[in-house]
Amino acid sequence: SAVISQKPSRDICQRGTSLTIQCQVDSQVTMMFWYRQQPGQSLTLIATANQGSEATYESGFVIDKFPISRPNLTFSTLTVSNMSPEDSSIYLCSVAGQGTYNEQFFGPGTRLTVL
Amino acid sequence: QKEVEQNSGPLSVPEGAIASLNCTYSDRVSQSFFWYRQYSGKSPELIMSIYSNGDKEDGRFTAQLNKASQYVSLLIRDSQPSDSATYLCAVKFHFGNEKLTFGTGTRLTIIP
Repeated sequence: SAVISQKPSRDICQRGTSLTIQCQVDSQVTMMFWYRQQPGQSLTLIATANQGSEATYESGFVIDKFPISRPNLTFSTLTVSNMSPEDSSIYLCSVAGQGTYNEQFFGPGTRLTVL
Repeated sequence: QKEVEQNSGPLSVPEGAIASLNCTYSDRVSQSFFWYRQYSGKSPELIMSIYSNGDKEDGRFTAQLNKASQYVSLLIRDSQPSDSATYLCAVKFHFGNEKLTFGTGTRLTIIP
């Protein structure tokens, strides 16, 4: 499977600021996704990052709050805008499209704390 | 709304025994099913995927799928302390839509 890296691995941010999280893959992948995992909870899909077009957002998530870029087939960014303590979470990118059944593989995650 | 349900646990199993983890899903036409293992502070790791009714074995792990009853299970034989983790069930509900819906996870503890 592809090797996936994320930056930063963790950050502590002040309320009202924004943070951009990077996801880098060591090979070209068709699909990239961004998930959120709030403390003690399971994973929730934020959006699908589409190469060359706008991301597809899930219900409850909007582009103004979570703008996503995907300039090529190996890289994507997720920005968490105008943060509040409720945004404290682990943010994970995943990739798919290399296996027979498009299994998803996850990056190491970014642990965000908003004060 | 498509749902995936798991018993949150914790599930405690003696070392060497079989751990059985269960997952039910709401949509009868669901396509693909996955089990992820997540250690505390780490990201989910794919351990099994299954697409057809029946059993699929990989080492000490066996996934079982019953589409008529809408459940998928994971058996871990000869449980080891290193198997202690949260196990997440994920379902891909529609062919051509790669979105995964996750259950809440079952926390498994293997007791030495």
